[in-house]
Amino acid sequence: GQQLNQSPQSMFIQEGEDVSMNCTSSSIFNTWLWYKQDPGEGPVLLIALYKAGELTSNGRLTAQFGITRKDSFLNISASIPSDVGIYFCAVLYSGGGADGLTFGKGTHLIIQP
Amino acid sequence: ETGVTQSPTHLIKTRGQQVTLRCSSQSGHNTVSWYQQALGQGPQFIFQYYREEENGRGNFPPRFSGLQFPNYSSELNVNALELDDSALYLCASSLGQGRVTEAFFGQGTRLTVV
Repeated sequence: GQQLNQSPQSMFIQEGEDVSMNCTSSSIFNTWLWYKQDPGEGPVLLIALYKAGELTSNGRLTAQFGITRKDSFLNISASIPSDVGIYFCAVLYSGGGADGLTFGKGTHLIIQP
Repeated sequence: ETGVTQSPTHLIKTRGQQVTLRCSSQSGHNTVSWYQQALGQGPQFIFQYYREEENGRGNFPPRFSGLQFPNYSSELNVNALELDDSALYLCASSLGQGRVTEAFFGQGTRLTVV
């Protein structure tokens, strides 16, 4: 099946630093998504990208859909304590008759005081 | 809060038993998808229900089955539980099968198989 390679696996940063994470695939996808998951909660959609080359912002978050349609990155500027959590990239695929989401393994963001 | 509620929040079962997990979708959402999230992994698509019928499945065996009811709520049933079935099970509801990218996730049910 489809596999997304997400890196880094974890990040230890200080409050106020900028963060960058990325996601790559060997296959082409037409929709890329970024989610955040807090402990004990389900994933929450941060940004959805629908067009190759698209750059989209949501507050301090910026994500880009790679021009090859095989990658995407997420940047967080001026990190704050509530940014702690696990960030997942995901792609939309059509298989078995329905649209489903394939997720990466996640980037665990830890902010050191 | 997303409006998608799952029950129970935690569950412990013995290998070989059967389990039923429940999901109430957000008001008006007629499509429910189920995902399995093993520890340290991203969610994996199990299947999707639309208008009370399964209309797509990921790479999961038939002992994973489901139902959707007229009020769009849904159940996930797992028979002959195995230790590897221990995971967080998430449901996500959306307004239409073609709007999965706009789905809202519930908080999940943590299943432990011993």
